[in-house]
Amino acid sequence: GAGVSQSPRYKVAKRGQDVALRCDPISGHVSLFWYQQALGQGPEFLTYFQNEAQLDKSGLPSDRFFAERPEGSVSTLKIQRTQQEDSAVYLCASSLAGGVGTTEAFFGQGTRLTVV
Amino acid sequence: AQRVTQPEKLLSVFKGAPVELKCNYSYSGSPELFWYVQYSRQRLQLLLRHISRESIKGFTADLNKGETSFHLKKPFAQEEDSAMYYCALSTSPTGNQFYFGTGTSLTVIP
Repeated sequence: GAGVSQSPRYKVAKRGQDVALRCDPISGHVSLFWYQQALGQGPEFLTYFQNEAQLDKSGLPSDRFFAERPEGSVSTLKIQRTQQEDSAVYLCASSLAGGVGTTEAFFGQGTRLTVV
Repeated sequence: AQRVTQPEKLLSVFKGAPVELKCNYSYSGSPELFWYVQYSRQRLQLLLRHISRESIKGFTADLNKGETSFHLKKPFAQEEDSAMYYCALSTSPTGNQFYFGTGTSLTVIP
């Protein structure tokens, strides 16, 4: 694809519902990052994959959050038993090899999750 | 602890006026600093990196280790510069330890 694609763009979930957010990185990109951006805040790191290996999940706020990238391409961020504090924009970024701060890293447009 | 501080949430300047978006960071090692921009209804994108020492769209930013600052400057603001600007700090080469500030919304008044 032309860029990093995230779906759905918007998601409204009832409190307690499970949700799954999808990220399609740029083809061939090795590194994939998930960020959470609450209203009025900057993006905050959640987790990082290199191919299918999840190398860092230190930013996941609780064990209700789970991310996977089984074939080293598409990634899914799953949130179980959603709470109101999970309402945020979830951003995905991918890069050819380097980190987020490299010129070859690109962000998706995000999924706005609203928990009611 | 907040590693990146952007003290101004909102900043308005007139077209043609100089603009400076402030960023201060907290890190004892050798930081890599970045500025990201998000135009209306577009995705977050890298604007510039301090290691590149380049000017992008007329913007420059100098890393001042003494003042732990990385302010973004442009001598003559244009209307198309209106956007959300995020300062960011990387403390690891892989970029997974990457910290964004809370952002400054810049409005350039025609």
